[in-house]
Amino acid sequence: QSALTQPASVSGSPGQSITISCTGTSSDVGSYNLVSWYQQHPGKAPKFMIYEVNKRPSGVSNRFSGSKSGNTASLTISGLQAEDEADYYCCSHAGSSTWVFGGGTKLTVL
Amino acid sequence: QVQLVQSGAEVKKPGASVKVSCKASGYTFTTYYMHWVRQAPGQGLEWMGIINPSSGSTSYAQKFQGRVTTTRDTSTSTVYMELSSLRSEDTAVYYCARDQAPGESSGYYLYWGQGTLVTVSS
Repeated sequence: QSALTQPASVSGSPGQSITISCTGTSSDVGSYNLVSWYQQHPGKAPKFMIYEVNKRPSGVSNRFSGSKSGNTASLTISGLQAEDEADYYCCSHAGSSTWVFGGGTKLTVL
Repeated sequence: QVQLVQSGAEVKKPGASVKVSCKASGYTFTTYYMHWVRQAPGQGLEWMGIINPSSGSTSYAQKFQGRVTTTRDTSTSTVYMELSSLRSEDTAVYYCARDQAPGESSGYYLYWGQGTLVTVSS
């Protein structure tokens, strides 16, 4: 159960789009459509943004979208806004009722 | 409204154990699985384990097998996470997080506890 691999940092200008990747293995991301994404601002609990690869809970902006191809899931944020600056984490089912998070990606809005 | 209220900060010596509680309210306690997630200072989220409050069945990350125990008390709607043989690397904020899907483990968490800081220091 190794952590999923995410880029340490990504950046973009307001209005642009960015994509954060989350690479696992055929034992986790590749085997299950149970990938979720979380946004975390400093000192706060994580906020649930995407579930089951590409579903958005109510209240989450449609600027956030998710996808998956093979062992890699992705989170895309379009129309970047200053308040999107945060840490982002992916999470995947890893079999046998276990779950694994990614290492996290720091998004900077330039 | 759903609330998860965790116990207060703890300071422990290396080798000791810590038990963190998470009291749930605002929903039927036995319907939703509860996960434990921790975050070391300046580090990422780390999944530790899960408990089915209805049956008491548990599952843990391999890394914590043998050192972590999660239990529940249905009479008080409280889940507990006990971590033993503490070392400095266990210094972290520990969160309980309620699974969103009733009766199953879906791995997405809308509701989180406020976090409990556990500091391990000699």
